[in-house]
Formats: sequence, structure tokens, C-alpha cells
Amino acid sequence: AQRVTQPEKLLSVFKGAPVELKCNYSYSGSPELFWYVQYSRQRLQLLLRHISRESIKGFTADLNKGETSFHLKKPFAQEEDSAMYYCALMDSSYKLIFGSGTRLLVRP
Amino acid sequence: ETGVTQSPTHLIKTRGQQVTLRCSSQSGHNTVSWYQQALGQGPQFIFQYYREEENGRGNFPPRFSGLQFPNYSSELNVNALELDDSALYLCASSLETGAITDTQYFGPGTRLTVL
Repeated sequence: AQRVTQPEKLLSVFKGAPVELKCNYSYSGSPELFWYVQYSRQRLQLLLRHISRESIKGFTADLNKGETSFHLKKPFAQEEDSAMYYCALMDSSYKLIFGSGTRLLVRP
Repeated sequence: ETGVTQSPTHLIKTRGQQVTLRCSSQSGHNTVSWYQQALGQGPQFIFQYYREEENGRGNFPPRFSGLQFPNYSSELNVNALELDDSALYLCASSLETGAITDTQYFGPGTRLTVL
């Protein structure tokens, strides 16, 4: 079964601390993975996608096929990073399968 | 500003009723996807329309149906509402379908409450 798991509902860190939001997936093919973010009172938006191998707002994510993971990382968290983060997988029919999300709270 | 709009913002219905939710895609976007997001969960794919034809469906019963119109607007219809249908309904538009590099732009959602 195709599934995306985000084990942490809430991750609280202090400003300047490193952040790692965990994402594990289950997919039989070659996955395409994404991170979406939803800031307070804003709509869901794409943060980054695996295929682009880009860094957005200091965030990076590396696909580890051996561990079936796509963790989101940032070396120094900022207060404006506080938001809801969703990991998503695109299946062979190009539909997105989302995890249940992790709320990141960056304390001053 | 992504240009995807949804109406209404909030809606309250009673069990057994029917509801129509509307989405206006970004101009030029031929693909619209609908998602259901229950409280505390991630969005769950309902179905996708491409150039006015259904182009994929998730694990939702037939009482969930949709339409897409040539003017980049679309509808999600739900018949025989159940309490578990209470959720945030999101639409997302994208330029084409079948392109991994194509970005889905989400609307703000419609909050449906079924009493």
C-alpha cells in the first residue's frame, strides 16, 4: 500500500537550533516526493520537491531509498518557520498522497 | 497570490442533504484536483479532472462527484451527506496533468460541517 508517515505531530525547537522533520514512505515504484507547508492563516503551498534537488528558505530534503525516508532539514530554525509541514508522495497516476503533518513550533 | 479561489468559505448542512462546493482555478490551468482534509489529518485525494474529464479517483464512494467547466471553474458535489463528511475541502489547480514538475496550487478551502 502506498503510504506516507510523519511520526511526529508536534516538533518544538528553539530559534537557531537544527530542525529535522521526519517522513517515511511506502511505495513500490520509484517515488517522487514533496514537502508542502501551511503557515498560519495561509493556504497550503509547495516548499520543495525531490526532483528539483533545491533548497528553499534554507530547507533541504534528501531521499534515502534504503530507509524509505525523505526527512526535511534546516540547520538553524527561525521563528517564521513555525508552520504545519506535510510530506507528500506522487504516485504513478500523478495524484498526491499526503502524510498527516507535523506542526513545527520555533520558540524565541 | 496563486489565484485559486473556493466558495463558500464555510457551510453547515444536515445529514442526508446534498452540497455543492465550487473552485475557480488559476487561469490557463487545465487540471483540478479535489482533496478532503479531516481534522488533524493530511489532505486525502478525492479525484482529479483534466480538460473536463475525470482523470483519476481516490477511495471515495460514488456519492462524491465532480464537474469541470471550460472557464477553469469546477464543482465538487456530495450527496446523502454523512457526519464523517465534515472536513475541509481543498481544490488545487495545475497547468497540465502527468508532469511531475508541474506544481499544484491550492485554494483556501471550504469548511463543511455536517450535523
